[in-house]
Amino acid sequence: GDSVTQMEGPVTLSEEAFLTINCTYTATGYPSLFWYVQYPGEGLQLLLKATKADDKGSNKGFEATYRKETTSFHLEKGSVQVSDSAVYFCALILNAGNNRKLIWGLGTSLAVNP
Amino acid sequence: DADVTQTPRNRITKTGKRIMLECSQTKGHDRMYWYRQDPGLGLRLIYYSFDVKDINKGEISDGYSVSRQAQAKFSLSLESAIPNQTALYFCATSDYGTANTGELFFGEGSRLTVL
Repeated sequence: GDSVTQMEGPVTLSEEAFLTINCTYTATGYPSLFWYVQYPGEGLQLLLKATKADDKGSNKGFEATYRKETTSFHLEKGSVQVSDSAVYFCALILNAGNNRKLIWGLGTSLAVNP
Repeated sequence: DADVTQTPRNRITKTGKRIMLECSQTKGHDRMYWYRQDPGLGLRLIYYSFDVKDINKGEISDGYSVSRQAQAKFSLSLESAIPNQTALYFCATSDYGTANTGELFFGEGSRLTVL
């Protein structure tokens, strides 16, 4: 079945370090891919998305490229800040059929130390 | 004020008690969802509703029920709470357009502890 696999956390980095959070997927058809972020004490919010192969989503200094050949959508940021400490969720939605629902990864916790 | 509001934000209750979590939204969206978040298990869909007359079970609906009282209100009930229902519960909304593009709008969560 369709699924999303994220690297396990927690990930702990120092401020200004480079961040990569890996995400791979299995899907029948051609999904759209998403990264959501959950800051402490808050609900999830959409961080970025990509709807087709080779698209790059970007927001707040984060980037992710939709790689169909490796079925991946890894999240990257060149220089993290303490304020980036959060839980990051990778997700997909299939681009066909009715009643489409998001399929979620398990989340990766990021802690950034000053 | 938040676009998606959940009440209560925190609740401690005892096994066997009936609990209702409420969600209201001012986004004008027709679709509403209840999710449960547990450490290491990510987000799991409990119920979802595409309009007032349309209620659907998600992947873990056993032990839960819902009511869509109006387009803006969607409540989740635990008829007889048990300890393994201790979790963080999220309400989310979307409209047809954002649902098909995968964007959901989440409330801040309701933390439920069942003793």
